[in-house]
Amino acid sequence: NAGVTQTPKFRVLKTGQSMTLLCAQDMNHEYMYWYRQDPGMGLRLIHYSVGEGTTAKGEVPDGYNVSRLKKQNFLLGLESAAPSQTSVYFCASSRGTRGGKLFFGSGTQLSVL
Amino acid sequence: SQQGEEDPQALSIQEGENATMNCSYKTSINNLQWYRQNSGRGLVHLILIRSNEREKHSGRLRVTLDTSKKSSSLLITASRAADTASYFCATPPRGNKLVFGAGTILRVKS
Repeated sequence: NAGVTQTPKFRVLKTGQSMTLLCAQDMNHEYMYWYRQDPGMGLRLIHYSVGEGTTAKGEVPDGYNVSRLKKQNFLLGLESAAPSQTSVYFCASSRGTRGGKLFFGSGTQLSVL
Repeated sequence: SQQGEEDPQALSIQEGENATMNCSYKTSINNLQWYRQNSGRGLVHLILIRSNEREKHSGRLRVTLDTSKKSSSLLITASRAADTASYFCATPPRGNKLVFGAGTILRVKS
C-alpha cells in the first residue's frame, strides 16, 4: 500500500517547455488535489477532482491543466512553463471533499529557468 | 486571501519543553485540521477537531478550538528533536476544500 505517489521528484524546465506531473493513489479515494507550495505562503490549491472524469479549478489554476481519466491517477500539465511556476507541487487525495483528511504525496520540486 | 494563519511563524525550544502554536481563521468551519511537514517531505495529517469539540488529544498532542474567537492551538508536550518540522492548520471554509495557513516552523534543540 504505497498511498500517494508522485513522479517525477525533481525537474528543471526552460521557459516555454511543457511537462506533465503524475499522481497515483492506491486507496480508492474519490477526491484528488494538486497544490503548490511557495516559501512563506503555505499551500495553494491549483485544481482538484471529485471523481473520475471530473476536474475543477482551485485558487491558482492559471497556466495549468489537469486530467482524471482513471480514478487512481490525477495528472497536472504545464503547457508553457514560466519562471513563476517554480515551486514544489504536492498531490493529495481524500475520501470526500467536505473538509476531509488529506493524504499527501512526497512532492515534486520544479524549477523553471 | 488565507483562511488560516499560524502564529508564531517560527519557534525554537529545548528538547523536553512544550511547544504551542496558534491558528486563527476567518469564516465558519465544520472542522479544523493540523498537519506536520518534515523538511523536503509531504504533509502528514496529525489531528482533526470538529466544530462542536473544544479539545482533543492524540498522544503528546493537544488541540483546542474556540469557535467564538475563530482560533485553535496545538500543544506538543515534552518535545523531541524529531518534532522539528513545519506545522500547518487547515480549515474547510463553508465545508468546502481545505485551505492551509503559511505554517509555523518548529525547531527542537537537543
